[in-house]
Amino acid sequence: DTEVTQTPKHLVMGMTNKKSLKCEQHMGHRAMYWYKQKAKKPPELMFVYSYEKLSINESVPSRFSPECPNSSLLNLHLHALQPEDSALYLCASSQDGRPLAKNIQYFGAGTRLSVL
Amino acid sequence: QKEVEQNSGPLSVPEGAIASLNCTYSDRVSQSFFWYRQYSGKSPELIMSIYSNGDKEDGRFTAQLNKASQYVSLLIRDSQPSDSATYLCAVTITGNQFYFGTGTSLTVIP
Repeated sequence: DTEVTQTPKHLVMGMTNKKSLKCEQHMGHRAMYWYKQKAKKPPELMFVYSYEKLSINESVPSRFSPECPNSSLLNLHLHALQPEDSALYLCASSQDGRPLAKNIQYFGAGTRLSVL
Repeated sequence: QKEVEQNSGPLSVPEGAIASLNCTYSDRVSQSFFWYRQYSGKSPELIMSIYSNGDKEDGRFTAQLNKASQYVSLLIRDSQPSDSATYLCAVTITGNQFYFGTGTSLTVIP
């Protein structure tokens, strides 16, 4: 089973709303990721959690707040977003660490976010 | 963001032909290399991973890595219309820093 589950699939929110994106995996992976993908662009790395600790923050604005409650769950809390934040948000997970051959990312289906 | 560049495309090939996709990366300490396929509106799915110099074959797909030239490629033999998608090269710097290339759109013409 290589499934990463993201909810919701679609989300429309106003600029004053607070919402959360959720991601779950049961593959025993210890690294989890958030990516943002705009149309016709590659995914851009936002955050990486390794063993439930934030290990990489790619200078993401504070209106995006990640949380990793346990090794299977990853949340992305959204507050005061801008219309330009509208995008596909992808969650991924991987084994983490060595051997490199096992550190393959598996992606969820994504949440398509529209900010009005 | 680390620089990962792919041939700009779009790339069109007739059905049954070989499609060649190229990727160069700027960081010499890059460790692992991946090719993902992404259909429109869907999430990326892994096609191949490669870690050592040389070729790696899996069915109709062959990945080639040349670390000295900082170059990785993907060959798709006997291309099918179902191969029409955007192909993303991904590179890891450390184990968990994955960076994607700009993507190449491939169309296989029946």
